[in-house]
Amino acid sequence: AQTVTQSQPEMSVQEAETVTLSCTYDTSESNYYLFWYKQPPSRQMILVIRQEAYKQQNATENRFSVNFQKAAKSFSLKISDSQLGDTAMYFCAFMKPNRGGDKLIFGTGTRLQVFP
Amino acid sequence: DGGITQSPKYLFRKEGQNVTLSCEQNLNHDAMYWYRQDPGQGLRLIYYSQIVNDFQKGDIAEGYSVSREKKESFPLTVTSAQKNPTAFYLCASRPRGGETQYFGPGTRLLVL
Repeated sequence: AQTVTQSQPEMSVQEAETVTLSCTYDTSESNYYLFWYKQPPSRQMILVIRQEAYKQQNATENRFSVNFQKAAKSFSLKISDSQLGDTAMYFCAFMKPNRGGDKLIFGTGTRLQVFP
Repeated sequence: DGGITQSPKYLFRKEGQNVTLSCEQNLNHDAMYWYRQDPGQGLRLIYYSQIVNDFQKGDIAEGYSVSREKKESFPLTVTSAQKNPTAFYLCASRPRGGETQYFGPGTRLLVL
């Protein structure tokens, strides 16, 4: 069974600085997707970034980028130029596409606090 | 506006009572999902549906039931058999051929 581990329960960063959130996963699959979701105090889950395992190039979305190391099964999220609005819980998630439903498997989350 | 709506935002359940959480989407997505979130944990899958009139159990389906009579709607019933229903419930949907699940705003269920 696939598992996702986020080893940092809490992180903090000063506004405008850079922070990296860690995520590791365990799978024997070769084709899968990885996601980072953000959950602000409103509690709605918002997609931050997505990575397809067969693509070697790391995904980027504006200030957000990932470091995808397939052999090491590592998928870290880097947030550059941190803003106060980045304060939230961040969840790493794994998905193996299949006809059975494409279930997302989530880590336990990292609480990020951005302070002025 | 296109999106996923969940109602109510807060729901209170008395002992032995069944309650139903609503999830509606107007994104024309085929697949829909229900997740449960407990404090300090990630989301866990309760039920999912790939098409109308078909649904499958997730990892923690006991004490819950669903229906999918319309493409736009995927209600979740928390039955009296669910002994620890207090949690935050999130509905999600995914378009055909897509990999990303999009989430609604959630429903907070509390037991009186």
